[in-house]
Amino acid sequence: QQQVKQSPQSLIVQKGGISIINCAYENTAFDYFPWYQQFPGKGPALLIAIRPDVSEKKEGRFTISFNKSAKQFSLHIMDSQPGDSATYFCAAKPYNFNKFYFGSGTKLNVKP
Amino acid sequence: KAGVTQTPRYLIKTRGQQVTLSCSPISGHRSVSWYQQTPGQGLQFLFEYFSETQRNKGNFPGRFSGRQFSNSRSEMNVSTLELGDSALYLCASSPLGGVPGELFFGEGSRLTVL
Repeated sequence: QQQVKQSPQSLIVQKGGISIINCAYENTAFDYFPWYQQFPGKGPALLIAIRPDVSEKKEGRFTISFNKSAKQFSLHIMDSQPGDSATYFCAAKPYNFNKFYFGSGTKLNVKP
Repeated sequence: KAGVTQTPRYLIKTRGQQVTLSCSPISGHRSVSWYQQTPGQGLQFLFEYFSETQRNKGNFPGRFSGRQFSNSRSEMNVSTLELGDSALYLCASSPLGGVPGELFFGEGSRLTVL
């Protein structure tokens, strides 16, 4: 059973556009929600993360929106660039375990 | 500071064989986790070690095992390999043992089982 559900599987966006990736979870014990970016041949790297006590976190062009009541969170990439083309994973971690549950990934392609 | 180092990067095995993968965490990181990445299942948690003790374990059969040494380096072993074990095996280290934090991933060991 997938504890974190991610959509879409793939996404094509024009340069300068907004990329939006969504994730949903069920486990209310989750208290840390990171997004990872993975380029081909590389391991995932932390992009941005949020805790459930805030509804939004912004770092540069990347924003996480968090809806605790709906158990959903999303990644917004503003002014998307071809260099953002990668696979993005959302994840969630319960408060008492260092065990991350990952979404299935979204392959983003930003067209020049 | 050197990142997480995994060896070997690529390997090919046949069904029934066993394999050992190695991971050297970032200096000072005491928690090491292993994840299996496949196209269909994404990243799935295998286990986590801290101070040479397995603290958490995922839902994988007993053929998957691991250990951590006193210098925090870790190994994972898969015995009696099956075709479905073909995957990218990722090691990640964390700077703190008991609190949530960032996972620093290595580039992975890509295992192909023929």
